[in-house]
Amino acid sequence: EAQVTQNPRYLITVTGKKLTVTCSQNMNHEYMSWYRQDPGLGLRQIYYSMNVEVTDKGDVPEGYKVSRKEKRNFPLILESPSPNQTSLYFCASSLSAGRSKNIQYFGAGTRLSVL
Amino acid sequence: AQKITQTQPGMFVQEKEAVTLDCTYDTSDQSYGLFWYKQPSSGEMIFLIYQGSYDEQNATEGRYSLNFQKARKSANLVISASQLGDSAMYFCAMRERNTGNQFYFGTGTSLTVIP
Repeated sequence: EAQVTQNPRYLITVTGKKLTVTCSQNMNHEYMSWYRQDPGLGLRQIYYSMNVEVTDKGDVPEGYKVSRKEKRNFPLILESPSPNQTSLYFCASSLSAGRSKNIQYFGAGTRLSVL
Repeated sequence: AQKITQTQPGMFVQEKEAVTLDCTYDTSDQSYGLFWYKQPSSGEMIFLIYQGSYDEQNATEGRYSLNFQKARKSANLVISASQLGDSAMYFCAMRERNTGNQFYFGTGTSLTVIP
């Protein structure tokens, strides 16, 4: 089954404790992206990657890191989480970055709470 | 300036009636894509419909259609014959061809279908 898999689905952590949220897709998609969703703000793009070893900042990259060493994986790293990073996080992927009809398929989401 | 504006935080519609969810966008790019996603209370993001900036016909997908008015920069979603299962958050999104493949989402509209 074609899918985008995020883990964990739920995470409670404390300020300053490094964490990684994994994202994997099995569709051989070139484009992968991370979003955060906050009430009243919609989804905001954190980072995206157009292919292996190619990443770029979205609208809200501060406090986050990503890497794209393999095509299928795009982990989101919070080196020193803070309470303002409490949010619902989505990973998404799409076939090709270079085409206008770049339909993104989303993972199930990761709900993160930073205490 | 907001790239995507959804001015209706909440909407109500009677079952079996049609409803229009508004979306306006801001771009100077000639090539762009517009997307609508549905987010039910379970949280997943479901792709509904796509409209390319060069598409001459309005997009349709089953009960969903996109009322694309390029000169007014609007891309309203029309849901015909509403069903109880249509109750959800709806997000409008845009990808511009020339801005490095960033995606922009609106703040969403919460639709409630009344029996």
